[in-house]
Amino acid sequence: QKEVEQNSGPLSVPEGAIASLNCTYSDRGSQSFFWYRQYSGKSPELIMFIYSNGDKEDGRFTAQLNKASQYVSLLIRDSQPSDSATYLCAVTASASKLTFGTGTRLQVTL
Amino acid sequence: ETGVTQTPRHLVMGMTNKKSLKCEQHLGHNAMYWYKQSAKKPLELMFVYSLEERVENNSVPSRFSPECPNSSHLFLHLHTLQPEDSALYLCASSQEVQGKLFFGSGTQLSVL
Repeated sequence: QKEVEQNSGPLSVPEGAIASLNCTYSDRGSQSFFWYRQYSGKSPELIMFIYSNGDKEDGRFTAQLNKASQYVSLLIRDSQPSDSATYLCAVTASASKLTFGTGTRLQVTL
Repeated sequence: ETGVTQTPRHLVMGMTNKKSLKCEQHLGHNAMYWYKQSAKKPLELMFVYSLEERVENNSVPSRFSPECPNSSHLFLHLHTLQPEDSALYLCASSQEVQGKLFFGSGTQLSVL
């Protein structure tokens, strides 16, 4: 079982819709959760982090964490073509090791 | 300059060459990292330095040799690489180990 699992996509959503990106993790002791955005040919950029169960909102982005079910998700409201990128989920598991998923490629269509 | 800067952006080398990647962070962070990113694979942590001391080495082959002379600079010395080492090499820094990472622009390495 992969430590951090994401659907590789592509996930295609129309402009203005809500994009929902999901991530599951295997280590129940995981404590910190991060979402990075990576445009093609660029390096990853941190866009959201969450430490506690529930929702955390920042502008059009909402991170959702459910530790009991071991998943974390990222919602992007009012999706724009500029949101088209690969979104990497990263989890700090036991012993503070940060583990990345393979990423989900998002395509926002006009 | 701000953020994390990496040089060179692109590097082509033969298997017998020796080259070095350079990373500099201007964020006042305490930890620096080297990651390898290959197609279809998750980011792979190679090395972590905290306050200039190596705290993690993820079973990386000895043909990769890191150097951290101070908290702002990180190098990755390369020698006798293999074609499968071709990848994007990313430097990152954070205030605390394994916290929020700030990445440099990366070095796209091709080994012929």
